[in-house]
Amino acid sequence: GNSVTQMEGPVTLSEEAFLTINCTYTATGYPSLFWYVQYPGEGLQLLLKATKADDKGSNKGFEATYRKETTSFHLEKGSVQVSDSAVYFCALSDPNTGNQFYFGTGTSLTVIP
Amino acid sequence: GAGVSQSPSNKVTEKGKDVELRCDPISGHTALYWYRQRLGQGLEFLIYFQGNSAPDKSGLPSDRFSAERTGESVSTLTIQRTQQEDSAVYLCASSLGAGGGGASHTQYFGPGTRLTVL
Repeated sequence: GNSVTQMEGPVTLSEEAFLTINCTYTATGYPSLFWYVQYPGEGLQLLLKATKADDKGSNKGFEATYRKETTSFHLEKGSVQVSDSAVYFCALSDPNTGNQFYFGTGTSLTVIP
Repeated sequence: GAGVSQSPSNKVTEKGKDVELRCDPISGHTALYWYRQRLGQGLEFLIYFQGNSAPDKSGLPSDRFSAERTGESVSTLTIQRTQQEDSAVYLCASSLGAGGGGASHTQYFGPGTRLTVL
């Protein structure tokens, strides 16, 4: 079946530190992969996505590369800011199984000045 | 509309009462999803509608939960005889749904309805 496993938090970093949030997946087909972000008091919003192997999604300085060989989609940012403090969710959607989405449990990130 | 809207934004109810939550998806989106997010936890899938196909109800936690969707528009999630453990934020999302080319479509989330059962 389809599932997503992401790094447990919470994660606390100093401003300008390097961020990695690990995400691995299990899928029966060829899924699309997503990172969603939930800022405090707000709803979920798409951060970035990749639809096929070796694609790199990027947005707001964040990047993630779809690695089929390691079934991973790790989120990275070279220099985090206080405004990046949020909960990050990794997700997959397999168009071969009706486009249902499968979300990870979320990783809380706090960036301190 | 411009985005997914949900109403009410907040709902406080007494244990044992029924509640109805509403979701207006983005116009033209054939797929609609309901999730539950308990405090400090991840998203729990509840139900998924795709066009005129039978909905995927595999995530509904009990028979007190039900959902309907009228065509490709509004959806309502109904919780009967609410319990305190039903307290959570209920999120709705919509997407273009299944399409050609094999790539999945992005889900767009509404702001959620915060349900508190006293």
